[in-house]
Amino acid sequence: GENVEQHPSTLSVQEGDSAVIKCTYSDSASNYFPWYKQELGKRPQLIIDIRSNVGEKKDQRIAVTLNKTAKHFSLHITETQPEDSAVYFCAAASLDSNYQLIWGAGTKLIIKP
Amino acid sequence: NAGVTQTPKFQVLKTGQSMTLQCAQDMNHNSMYWYRQDPGMGLRLIYYSASEGTTDKGEVPNGYNVSRLNKREFSLRLESAAPSQTSVYFCASSEGRWGDTEAFFGQGTRLTVV
Repeated sequence: GENVEQHPSTLSVQEGDSAVIKCTYSDSASNYFPWYKQELGKRPQLIIDIRSNVGEKKDQRIAVTLNKTAKHFSLHITETQPEDSAVYFCAAASLDSNYQLIWGAGTKLIIKP
Repeated sequence: NAGVTQTPKFQVLKTGQSMTLQCAQDMNHNSMYWYRQDPGMGLRLIYYSASEGTTDKGEVPNGYNVSRLNKREFSLRLESAAPSQTSVYFCASSEGRWGDTEAFFGQGTRLTVV
């Protein structure tokens, strides 16, 4: 079955700098890759997703890149702000599978003032 | 518009007790899901319901049962709680298949089994 590994587990960056979180997946059939943000004590919220027919997607300060050959995808946050502090999760799924999103273990992003 | 509502928000059980976690959505979504979240791990799917009247096992179904009571409600039952079931439980719903349509989470239920 699918396995998703996420690195690093904790990332501390200076406010205004960029942050990059990386995930690798094992199932070459996976074709949907969402990223979720979870603030302390709150529910996960979708921030961006990408499908395997594109290599990059941007939404303001957030971008996701996908390398299908290497089976990895990354979240890029530019010009980080204090409100970006949270735990970020990647996930992978095959849209041919039965609804089973496989999640990474999460990255705690700390923005230092 | 409440979205996805879970009850209770917190619960402490003794080993061997049973309880039902309730989930209701008001978005007329077809699909509903139950996840558990443990420290240092991502979310793991327990059960899901693709549509009213159907339920299927996810990644970690042992020790749980579910009921899709109607299109709005999807409950999760622990028949005999164990300390290993201490976790935060999230319900979610989506209009169609997750990935084809966006999924929305409830606020979570923090369960402690002592």
